Amino acid sequence: DTAVSQTPKYLVTQMGNDKSIKCEQNLGHDTMYWYKQDSKKFLKIMFSYNNKELIINETVPNRFSPKSPDKAHLNLHINSLELGDSAVYFCASSQVGVGSYNEQFFGPGTRLTVL
Amino acid sequence: RKEVEQDPGPFNVPEGATVAFNCTYSNSASQSFFWYRQDCRKEPKLLMSVYSSGNEDGRFTAQLNRASQYISLLIRDSKLSDSATYLCVVPGYSGGGADGLTFGKGTHLIIQP
Repeated sequence: DTAVSQTPKYLVTQMGNDKSIKCEQNLGHDTMYWYKQDSKKFLKIMFSYNNKELIINETVPNRFSPKSPDKAHLNLHINSLELGDSAVYFCASSQVGVGSYNEQFFGPGTRLTVL
Repeated sequence: RKEVEQDPGPFNVPEGATVAFNCTYSNSASQSFFWYRQDCRKEPKLLMSVYSSGNEDGRFTAQLNRASQYISLLIRDSKLSDSATYLCVVPGYSGGGADGLTFGKGTHLIIQP
């Protein structure tokens, strides 16, 4: 059983298009995240969602919008794609405890290439 | 100082050797720390957590020095399968558990036969 899954695994598209990446977790976790890993391999948090509520948004352009239909899913929608959006996008989930921090489980990543 | 800093390497180490690398962090209020491992073109996976002064798991030892604000990872008797990028990780700065993780840029380790 895959704990955190993402689709598609690869996405190649033209500048200006709109695309979505889907993420699902079957771990029963209450918090999900999106990370971006650029060509220099630097992994950076984009969003986190806790019980359908956006917790943080790290200066990400508003062309990126996370959508969570339920706590097992956190999809990422990107409008007007730009060359600089090319990267690997990782979804992750964790169960957050009060005053504690728990392991985050990552999906396999979606490699986005904007031409 | 950047939030989480690591020497990117690569560290080229012969099989069986001991290797250690450090990570420095800027937020003195951080209480927990992690080492994640990332293989080429794969997702990061938790290797070790560090909540107090240190943690040991088999060939791997993580140590925390709060005064100097650094975390170290020691790998003994290195195996070819240890070749990977090791990411030093600090939870988000608001103190809430729902924050994302702040990753260092990673240290690339290559174990040579």
